[in-house]
Amino acid sequence: AQKVTQAQTEISVVEKEDVTLDCVYETRDTTYYLFWYKQPPSGELVFLIRRNSFDEQNEISGRYSWNFQKSTSSFNFTITASQVVDSAVYFCALTRSYNTDKLIFGTGTRLQVFP
Amino acid sequence: DVKVTQSSRYLVKRTGEKVFLECVQDMDHENMFWYRQDPGLGLRLIYFSYDVKMKEKGDIPEGYSVSREKKERFSLILESASTNQTSMYLCASSDLAGGTYEQYFGPGTRLTVT
Repeated sequence: AQKVTQAQTEISVVEKEDVTLDCVYETRDTTYYLFWYKQPPSGELVFLIRRNSFDEQNEISGRYSWNFQKSTSSFNFTITASQVVDSAVYFCALTRSYNTDKLIFGTGTRLQVFP
Repeated sequence: DVKVTQSSRYLVKRTGEKVFLECVQDMDHENMFWYRQDPGLGLRLIYFSYDVKMKEKGDIPEGYSVSREKKERFSLILESASTNQTSMYLCASSDLAGGTYEQYFGPGTRLTVT
């Protein structure tokens, strides 16, 4: 069965600290997509990144970076030099099966960045 | 930019009332979704629609129904609201044909049933 685990319920850091949000997934599919979404206090989930199962290259976008490792079924998200605006709930998600855009979400990690 | 709008940000209803939550998207997406979000449980799929008048149950459909009469509009109906349906409801749409698998979300409706 498909499953996404975000073991960290809540993380608090001080501004400028680096922080890593963990995501571990389970799937029987060989082809799948992984996602990270951000939910700021306004409530709307914002897409951050999509990764397909054949692309294990790490990705960096500004202060954000993602580490995809199939060997450990993990897709971790690191924010470098965190800022107060990074405070949000972050969700990791996995496609439920091949050729579908139905997703299964993790339970989310609430990140609080204090000034 | 894809825009997904939901009819209300906050809603308070009484137990037993029939409740309609409306969602509209403006990008001609085939697929639309209704989720509920509860603390510690993440997002759970209630219903999914892949075309007009087509729907599919998600993980927690009990107590809910949906309607999709037009491609851009997907409604969630609580036939007889109960207190355990107090939650945040999120609508999303996606363009599977475009191959991105990305879902675009609305701002959510926080429903309180008293």
